[in-house]
Amino acid sequence: DAGITQSPRYKITETGRQVTLMCHQTWSHSYMFWYRQDLGHGLRLIYYSAAADITDKGEVPDGYVVSRSKTENFPLTLESATRSQTSVYFCASESAGGDSPLHFGNGTRLTVT
Amino acid sequence: RKEVEQDPGPFNVPEGATVAFNCTYSNSASQSFFWYRQDCRKEPKLLMSVYSSGNEDGRFTAQLNRASQYISLLIRDSKLSDSATYLCVVTNAGNNRKLIWGLGTSLAVNP
Repeated sequence: DAGITQSPRYKITETGRQVTLMCHQTWSHSYMFWYRQDLGHGLRLIYYSAAADITDKGEVPDGYVVSRSKTENFPLTLESATRSQTSVYFCASESAGGDSPLHFGNGTRLTVT
Repeated sequence: RKEVEQDPGPFNVPEGATVAFNCTYSNSASQSFFWYRQDCRKEPKLLMSVYSSGNEDGRFTAQLNRASQYISLLIRDSKLSDSATYLCVVTNAGNNRKLIWGLGTSLAVNP
């Protein structure tokens, strides 16, 4: 089915471990985004990508790495997880249409112990 | 002042009521405005874009007041299924791809 999927849905990891969150979209949207959502904060942009091999920092990029070798995939890696990275992570995509809406995946709930 | 501010609520209204939310934004150069809806523990979904002339989609009406820097959302004839958190979203004036999200207004429609 067409859409945007994230995996895993839930992840528990230990401080210091590397974790990769996956995001895959089937629309061939140009833009993809990673957000985190925490109580007391709105959705905060971590990284975004305008196209394959083009990525840029968002509001809170520290501690995260992204890559986009293919249009449909946009993985997010926590190189050395910290407790402050416990959060709900949403991937989103958008066609290059200016005011076109964001389409979100159903989120990954990450807990760092 | 936060870049985007919303009354967190919760707004508790009976079915059939009319309810309105406001959202203020700080950057007068912001270009685009949206309302998203988020159900508990789920992903946000676009409810409607907000245009300068105002726009309506069924029971939902959105308006923009640039002079006072706020947008509004009016829901008429509330349904139980309207219970959700409503997120106000404003584009970053310097980069339309960087959206600024409000914390949301919680709505509970009661039978």
